Amino acid sequence: NAGVTQTPKFQVLKTGQSMTLQCAQDMNHEYMSWYRQDPGMGLRLIHYSVGAGITDQGEVPNGYNVSRSTTEDFPLRLLSAAPSQTSVYFCASRTNSNQPQHFGDGTRLSIL
Amino acid sequence: QKEVEQDPGPLSVPEGAIVSLNCTYSNSAFQYFMWYRQYSRKGPELLMYTYSSGNKEDGRFTAQVDKSSKYISLFIRDSQPSDSATYLCAMRDGSNYQLIWGAGTKLIIKP
Repeated sequence: NAGVTQTPKFQVLKTGQSMTLQCAQDMNHEYMSWYRQDPGMGLRLIHYSVGAGITDQGEVPNGYNVSRSTTEDFPLRLLSAAPSQTSVYFCASRTNSNQPQHFGDGTRLSIL
Repeated sequence: QKEVEQDPGPLSVPEGAIVSLNCTYSNSAFQYFMWYRQYSRKGPELLMYTYSSGNKEDGRFTAQVDKSSKYISLFIRDSQPSDSATYLCAMRDGSNYQLIWGAGTKLIIKP
């Protein structure tokens, strides 16, 4: 049982480039979320999904897009990378809103 | 002012000591309180999950919630070097999906 798998683990981009961060879970969880973690700021919610075909914005959605075509996958797209998006990105999933979240090991992204 | 405040540390204690980690919050509507542990270059993992006020114990870990003071604590007894990690608190109210996170306290247990 792999849990939540994030790829890639590390990525360096140039300003203006686009890319997709992948997230897959094999626990049949309905709820999935994307967070970014920056020093001194805790985890901040970017986008979340409560089931296939349903997504919504979190606290810091600007510059990011998501889609949820299957229960298993929840990719995060950076449309035009900016240095302010340098961060560690975590994907999480859970059964429902009252259950604890399971996190992947993160993608460390640097924008030059 | 942040909704959830957590001292970033680092907090360094000798092996075997009792550790106390704390978070304060400003929103009296918070009802669900969590403590996560995060090792370096890993994702957070849930340690304790409590609803409303009171204590909850799990092995060497005790979570305490004082809603009147808007203060939550995590106690670690007989601390081990393997407890060295960053500890994050998180909380939410009864109707909101979104968790509000503390910035984390880095804990170092010296052998």
